[in-house]
Amino acid sequence: GDSVTQMEGPVTLSEEAFLTINCTYTATGYPSLFWYVQYPGEGLQLLLKATKADDKGSNKGFEATYRKETTSFHLEKGSVQVSDSAVYFCALSGSGGSYIPTFGRGTSLIVHP
Amino acid sequence: GAGVSQSPSNKVTEKGKDVELRCDPISGHTALYWYRQSLGQGLEFLIYFQGNSAPDKSGLPSDRFSAERTGGSVSTLTIQRTQQEDSAVYLCASSTGVTSASYEQYFGPGTRLTVT
Repeated sequence: GDSVTQMEGPVTLSEEAFLTINCTYTATGYPSLFWYVQYPGEGLQLLLKATKADDKGSNKGFEATYRKETTSFHLEKGSVQVSDSAVYFCALSGSGGSYIPTFGRGTSLIVHP
Repeated sequence: GAGVSQSPSNKVTEKGKDVELRCDPISGHTALYWYRQSLGQGLEFLIYFQGNSAPDKSGLPSDRFSAERTGGSVSTLTIQRTQQEDSAVYLCASSTGVTSASYEQYFGPGTRLTVT
């Protein structure tokens, strides 16, 4: 079956540091890939997405590129802020036409001033 | 516009009692999902509704769990004879369920269930 693997957290960074959160996946066909963010006490919200190979999703300074050859969708940001502290989930959907997404376990990011 | 809403936001119940959790999806969204998020864990899929089709119940962990969706809108997740291991945050999400863009989900804030 489909699966999404994220790097273990927490990831702890100082403000303005560079961020990478790794995500790899296994799936049939050509799924869409997503990063969701969950701030404390809230539900998940879409951060960015990519629907085909080599697409780059971007939002709020975050970027991720759909790499089919390495089955990866790593999340990056050049300069993190304290307000970026949250849990980040990598997910895929549309594999084999399924409408049920597969989520990674989430990676907690803590940014210190 | 209004997002996905869930109620109650918090629920404390005694072991063995039944609970009902409610989800109001975004108006016009035909797909609705329930997930369970336990502490330190990812999202566990529970059930999926799409329009008038039969729901996909493949994620329900036991027959104590059930869900219905009335009129293609509001959904209720019911847990009977609650157990302590049912303690978690229950998240609801909706999507348009029509085109490829439907794969994007919109989440509610969740209901935190604590079984004592």
